[in-house]
Order: sequence, then structure tokens, then C-alpha cells
Amino acid sequence: KAGVTQTPRYLIKTRGQQVTLSCSPISGHRSVSWYQQTPGQGLQFLFEYFSETQRNKGNFPGRFSGRQFSNSRSEMNVSTLELGDSALYLCASSRLKGDTGELFFGEGSRLTVL
Amino acid sequence: GENVEQHPSTLSVQEGDSAVIKCTYSDSASNYFPWYKQELGKRPQLIIDIRSNVGEKKDQRIAVTLNKTAKHFSLHITETQPEDSAVYFCAASRGGSTLGRLYFGRGTQLTVWP
Repeated sequence: KAGVTQTPRYLIKTRGQQVTLSCSPISGHRSVSWYQQTPGQGLQFLFEYFSETQRNKGNFPGRFSGRQFSNSRSEMNVSTLELGDSALYLCASSRLKGDTGELFFGEGSRLTVL
Repeated sequence: GENVEQHPSTLSVQEGDSAVIKCTYSDSASNYFPWYKQELGKRPQLIIDIRSNVGEKKDQRIAVTLNKTAKHFSLHITETQPEDSAVYFCAASRGGSTLGRLYFGRGTQLTVWP
């Protein structure tokens, strides 16, 4: 069974630009969450999508947005990039069946903003 | 929102010794507490989790304890091995429809010396 796939794995942008990151969840998983990982702040929740609807949202500015498609694939977008947006962006999928809460993470998209 | 504190931030032990990582949480409604292990350059992976109706859970050399009254939970690793070296993250969630939203601690870098 294929794991969570994120693209691109690495990207470099300049301030003011925008970026779109993609995530393909494990087949059958309907929940997709996004996290930002930085050395200083650890893993911070961005948002979660379930059946194409944003179900939970973290405390990030409106420049961060996302969506989920009918095949459960998800994208996140960051507009007007700032230096502080440099981070590893992790996507995680989950089946959330019953009490099972395991998140399966992708390898992440490492964004560098210059 | 929930606030998860994790200590220590770094931990060095000799192979064969035990390691203990402690976390506290602030939201009394949190009822699901997973631990993730992230090896260098790899994705976080779930190693053990505990729900609020359970005080302790063991899986081979790993155990987690939960004290709901004091709002703290701990990870115990016995007979440590060099391959246990990684960053460990504790997390908390309210469960249910918010299982995809985890509040993470800032991580503990565990180094096991041979």
C-alpha cells in the first residue's frame, strides 16, 4: 500500500511569491491534515480536511489556505510568502475509523523563502 | 486552545539505560495522547498512544502513563538501543472529529550512546 505522497519535496521561493503544495493520502483515508514544522516551534497544526470540507483550522493567517478534492487529495497554498514561512510542511492522512487516530505522515515539502 | 509542554528538550543516555520524557497539557477536554518518533530526515511515526480512560499502556520496551488529574503523561523507554535515537513528540487531542488536529509538544532529542 502506497504511503502519503507529497510534492514537491523541495522548493525555493522569494518573498511575496505564492506556493502550492500537494498531498496524496493513503488510499481509503478521507482525513488529511497539514502541519508546519520548524526547529523553534515544532509541529504546528494548519488545517484538516475531511470529505472535501475544512473541519479544523489552526491559528495561522489567512495567507495559508487549503482544499481537498473528491479523491481525497489535498493542496495547501501560501500567498505573499514571508521569510518566516520557511519550514517543512507535513501532510498526514488518517482513516479515523472508530477510535483509531493514527496519523500517517508524508515526507514533507521543504520550503525555503529568500 | 490546548498547550502541550514537553521536557526535557534533549536527553542523552547510555545504551541499556532507561529514558523518560514528560509532557503536560492544559485542556481538560483532551482525551487522546499519542507519541510520535521522528528519525533524522524521516517522517514522524506513531509509536504508542493512550486514551484518557486508561492509566498506562505498554508495548515491549515502550510504555506511556497518564495522570488525568495532574494533566501530565510520560513516555518510558527501557533497555535503550542506539536505534532509539530520534526526536520524540508528545501530542494531545480532544478526539472524535478533532483526531486530525493534534497539539504537539516541541520535541525531545534522544541520543543513545553505545
